[in-house]
Amino acid sequence: DTAVSQTPKYLVTQMGNDKSIKCEQNLGHDTMYWYKQDSKKFLKIMFSYNNKELIINETVPNRFSPKSPDKAHLNLHINSLELGDSAVYFCASSLGRYTNTIYFGEGSWLTVV
Amino acid sequence: AQSVTQPDIHITVSEGASLELRCNYSYGATPYLFWYVQSPGQGLQLLLKYFSGDTLVQGIKGFEAEFKRSQSSFNLRKPSVHWSDAAEYFCAVGAKGSQGNLIFGKGTKLSVKP
Repeated sequence: DTAVSQTPKYLVTQMGNDKSIKCEQNLGHDTMYWYKQDSKKFLKIMFSYNNKELIINETVPNRFSPKSPDKAHLNLHINSLELGDSAVYFCASSLGRYTNTIYFGEGSWLTVV
Repeated sequence: AQSVTQPDIHITVSEGASLELRCNYSYGATPYLFWYVQSPGQGLQLLLKYFSGDTLVQGIKGFEAEFKRSQSSFNLRKPSVHWSDAAEYFCAVGAKGSQGNLIFGKGTKLSVKP
């Protein structure tokens, strides 16, 4: 069973489109994250939710909107996609509100053309 | 500011040789330290972590790392590298008791020569 699963794995879309990436974890964790990995492999946090409450919201364009319907799901919606949004987006989860081991999904490779 | 430095962008070792990947951190609080591995086209897999206690920690796939507070380092080692170890390795740090964000280094790409 996949612990942190995200869909789709690959996404190619045109500039200006709106797209969503879905994430689910079956680890029983209560904190979930979205990380962005750029073309140089640099990983940076975008958002974090604990029990559906937004607790980390880094400097991210407001075209990016996370939604957590319950503590096992965290989705990422992106409006008006731009070329610079091309990246790998990782969903992750951990147990507890504070620093703990983070478990990552397989990533979603987004290419904006 | 909190930061993690992995000084080596790319390392090539021969299969069977030993390996050490360097990681230095700058963190004001008590650090929690992690090493993750990313194979091409894959997600990040946790290799090992250090929270407290014995400063030499063992991980999966025969990896180990040593926490040296005086040097602000958490270097990853493996005595004998296998071709399947070729991947990108990331060191990460978080602060005990803070919100769960981890700060990642820029990664070290490991290539293995036959």
